[in-house]
Amino acid sequence: DTAVSQTPKYLVTQMGNDKSIKCEQNLGHDTMYWYKQDSKKFLKIMFSYNNKELIINETVPNRFSPKSPDKAHLNLHINSLELGDSAVYFCASSLGPRDAQYFGPGTRLTVL
Amino acid sequence: SQQGEEDPQALSIQEGENATMNCSYKTSINNLQWYRQNSGRGLVHLILIRSNEREKHSGRLRVTLDTSKKSSSLLITASRAADTASYFCATTPTGTASKLTFGTGTRLQVTL
Repeated sequence: DTAVSQTPKYLVTQMGNDKSIKCEQNLGHDTMYWYKQDSKKFLKIMFSYNNKELIINETVPNRFSPKSPDKAHLNLHINSLELGDSAVYFCASSLGPRDAQYFGPGTRLTVL
Repeated sequence: SQQGEEDPQALSIQEGENATMNCSYKTSINNLQWYRQNSGRGLVHLILIRSNEREKHSGRLRVTLDTSKKSSSLLITASRAADTASYFCATTPTGTASKLTFGTGTRLQVTL
């Protein structure tokens, strides 16, 4: 019954590796997002997709690549992981671009 | 860039008391939203108030919006220990579609 789900919940990996985080929503929403929350709890948007189309692409290194195979899924692939990528990554979805957002439980990424 | 700032950064009250958190933002907005985040969890949407609204209620929550002062407040009445969490305001600046920009958060501690 989980509305927005993310996998994995925890991800520990070495510098230089490539990893993916998956997100799925079963709310029938058109818009999905990826956020990064740093150690000071500051939450910053990274990407937003509306109907599988990229509408927001913040100043994020091109090592980060989102992929939306369909409206219910938005995955995040990260190449050549760096220490500074350690954070909690949240996926979210909303009915439309200006509506209330529903967040997933987060993926805690630790890069060693 | 950071749009909203919450005040205070941290608030400690006793159960039964009211808690008031304030949020200030910088640019004109389409709407302002308040979210709650329990430790180690995802964000939960509380209330969305549109730029043409001045006050909104939801259960024990009351939100006000003053667009002339670019500020909002969240009042939690008759607080409970379960209200202990971080509270974030988030704004959708005018003309930015789905770009939700979060504030720095207020950490609320409700003690028995």
